Amino acid sequence: AQKVTQAQTEISVVEKEDVTLDCVYETRDTTYYLFWYKQPPSGELVFLIRRNSFDEQNEISGRYSWNFQKSTSSFNFTITASQVVDSAVYFCALFNNDMRFGAGTRLTVKP
Amino acid sequence: DAGITQSPRHKVTETGTPVTLRCHQTENHRYMYWYRQDPGHGLRLIHYSYGVKDTDKGEVSDGYSVSRSKTEDFLLTLESATSSQTSVYFCAISESGHSNSGANVLTFGAGSRLTVL
Repeated sequence: AQKVTQAQTEISVVEKEDVTLDCVYETRDTTYYLFWYKQPPSGELVFLIRRNSFDEQNEISGRYSWNFQKSTSSFNFTITASQVVDSAVYFCALFNNDMRFGAGTRLTVKP
Repeated sequence: DAGITQSPRHKVTETGTPVTLRCHQTENHRYMYWYRQDPGHGLRLIHYSYGVKDTDKGEVSDGYSVSRSKTEDFLLTLESATSSQTSVYFCAISESGHSNSGANVLTFGAGSRLTVL
């Protein structure tokens, strides 16, 4: 069975704080892909990153970084020096035979 | 921006009425998907298509049907809408899809908010 768990339903931080969004996944397969999507208040879904199961290198893109650890089946997302514009719902997703999304984490960044 | 348009963007209907949502793409992508988004559930796959007239069920397909008569259009039909189908519906497209040969990025439409009274 495939499953994605985002245990943090809501997170609230003050601007410039660092914040980590957790994602834990379950799959029996050795080949799969992991994704993060952002859904700002306007409602559209924006692709952030894709990772395949054979590449455990961490990735950094500006203030965003991702930590993929197969040993703990986790694919966590960190925003450094958060900004108000980072306020959104963030979804982690697992693709094998189909795309399964977590329930999402609502991040609020206060000025 | 990927060319995906969903219509209607908002609809209010009554229980028992039929509803059709349309997804139109201009990217000539082979795969198209319908998801619904509900609080606490994230996005759940309803149906998907891997080509003209080729469709398959997703995780929450009961009460829904789909059709794809042209590459660019993917229709989602609720034959007899129920209040439990009140949701935001997202269409998505990708060049490749449900296979282990490679998972491409899903690009989403703007969503269609459906309220069933």
